[in-house]
Amino acid sequence: GENVEQHPSTLSVQEGDSAVIKCTYSDSASNYFPWYKQELGKRPQLIIDIRSNVGEKKDQRIAVTLNKTAKHFSLHITETQPEDSAVYFCAARTWNNDMRFGAGTRLTVKP
Amino acid sequence: DTGVSQDPRHKITKRGQNVTFRCDPISEHNRLYWYRQTLGQGPEFLTYFQNEAQLEKSRLLSDRFSAERPKGSFSTLEIQRTEQGDSAMYLCASAGGFYEQYFGPGTRLTVT
Repeated sequence: GENVEQHPSTLSVQEGDSAVIKCTYSDSASNYFPWYKQELGKRPQLIIDIRSNVGEKKDQRIAVTLNKTAKHFSLHITETQPEDSAVYFCAARTWNNDMRFGAGTRLTVKP
Repeated sequence: DTGVSQDPRHKITKRGQNVTFRCDPISEHNRLYWYRQTLGQGPEFLTYFQNEAQLEKSRLLSDRFSAERPKGSFSTLEIQRTEQGDSAMYLCASAGGFYEQYFGPGTRLTVT
């Protein structure tokens, strides 16, 4: 089955700097890659996603890139703000529609 | 609130008891998913419905777990003979199409 690995597990940056979180997946048939943000005690919130026919997608300060050949995708957050502090999860959807999540990255943005 | 809702938000039960959770998806979303999340981990897929049909079940879902979506709207997840290892956050998500899934607030289960 699909296996998603996420790195790093924790990331601390200074406000205004960029943050990059990387994920790899194992199933070449996976075709949809969302990113979720989860604040403490709250539900995971979809922040951006990318489909397998696209290499890059951007939404304001957030961008995601996908390399299908290498089977990895990354989340880029520019001009980080303290409110970006949260746990971020990547995921890959397999051919049978179940979604496999990474273990998460705890991002801390220091003011 | 037009988002995904779950009930109850918290459940404390003794080992061996049965529990049932409910999920109400976003109106007209035909796809509904159940996940389990433990501390420090990402959500783990449990099962998936398209309308009232249960199309996928994870191997994680033992025979003590059963899920239904009788009319293609709300869904229930029942755990029989609960064990301490069942303690987790149970998340429901719904999707109107093939892609974006929107999560509910979850039901936190504690088995004592």
